[in-house]
This record gives sequence, C-alpha cells and structure tokens, in this order.
Amino acid sequence: GQNIDQPTEMTATEGAIVQINCTYQTSGFNGLFWYQQHAGEAPTFLSYNVLDGLEEKGRFSSFLSRSKGYSYLLLKELQMKDSASYLCAAMDSNYQLIWGAGTKLIIKP
Amino acid sequence: ETGVTQTPRHLVMGMTNKKSLKCEQHLGHNAMYWYKQSAKKPLELMFVYNFKEQTENNSVPSRFSPECPNSSHLFLHLHTLQPEDSALYLCASSQDMSGGTDTQYFGPGTRLTVL
Repeated sequence: GQNIDQPTEMTATEGAIVQINCTYQTSGFNGLFWYQQHAGEAPTFLSYNVLDGLEEKGRFSSFLSRSKGYSYLLLKELQMKDSASYLCAAMDSNYQLIWGAGTKLIIKP
Repeated sequence: ETGVTQTPRHLVMGMTNKKSLKCEQHLGHNAMYWYKQSAKKPLELMFVYNFKEQTENNSVPSRFSPECPNSSHLFLHLHTLQPEDSALYLCASSQDMSGGTDTQYFGPGTRLTVL
C-alpha cells in the first residue's frame, strides 16, 4: 500500500532550527512536496524535490533521498509565525498526491 | 491569496438538507480537485477533474456529487449527509496532471458541520 509517515507534533524555540522528517512508500514516484498550513487556512506550497539532495529557499530547505524513501524540511531562524502544520506529500506514478497527516509545529518564545 | 476561492467558508446543515459548495480558480489551470480534511488525518482525495472530465472518484459515497461546468468552476453537491461527513472541504487546482512539477494550489476551504 501507499503510505506517508511524519511526526504528529514537534516543539521548538524561536530563533532555533528544526527538522521535520517524512518517510514515504508509493507506487512509483514523481516527487515530494511540502506544504504549510496555518490553523483554519489553506495549505500553501513550500517546496518540491524530485532529485536527491538539498533545495534551499531562504530560511526553509528540503532534502530528498529517493533510495531511502526519505525527506526532511529544515526550518532555520524560527519565528513565531512558523507555528503551523507541515504536510508532506509524495506524488505517485499516476501523478496523484499521497498525503501525510501533517506535523504540528509549536514555536515557543 | 492563492487564486482559488471557495464559498461558503462555513456551513451547518441537517442530515436532510441539500447544499452545494463552490470553488473558483483564477489561475488558468486545467485540473481541479476536491479533498476532505479531518482532524489529525491525511488529506483524502475525493474527486479530480482534468480539462472538465472527471478522472478520479476515490470510492466517495453518492451523497457527494461533483460538477465541473468549466475549467474555472467546481461544485460539490451535498445531500442526506451524515455527522461523520463533518470536516474541512478543500478545493485545489493545478496547471494539469501531466508532470511531476504540477503544484496544487488550495482554496481556504469550507468548514462543514452536519447536525
């Protein structure tokens, strides 16, 4: 079956760094997406990885290892506004997204 | 503002009511999606339309009926729902479904409560 695993909840301190891990099992693979979702709002696109390695976008970076079925989202210089849920989704061979349940990130002052 | 709008934002309905959710995208996309989001669960894909043709129906009960009159508009018609259907219903769109870089853009969702 197809499956995405990510931690349910994480807590970090303002100004620090946090890494949110995601492992996936899909029928075929066409890339890995990360979305951010603030409470009561729409998920918004953060990053897309299809090749192995690290993609950096400002304070956010995303890493992919296809051989390990593993990705992580790295958030640096955490700000209070980064408190949100982070959704990992893998695209299967039919170009459909298989979603994780999301990681709720709590930032403390 | 993602370019995808949904109305209403909140809806409370009884089990015998009929209502419709509306989604509109202003991005010139060709694919549109309905998702159900329940607390602490992964997003559940319900329906997919690509170039106005329904390409996916993930075993959704017939009390949910989608309609896509054109590539900018998507409706979800609801009738005789159950309390367990209470959830956030999200609409999304993407350029099409031909490539792995096809990012989906989401609307703000309709928070549905079935009494």
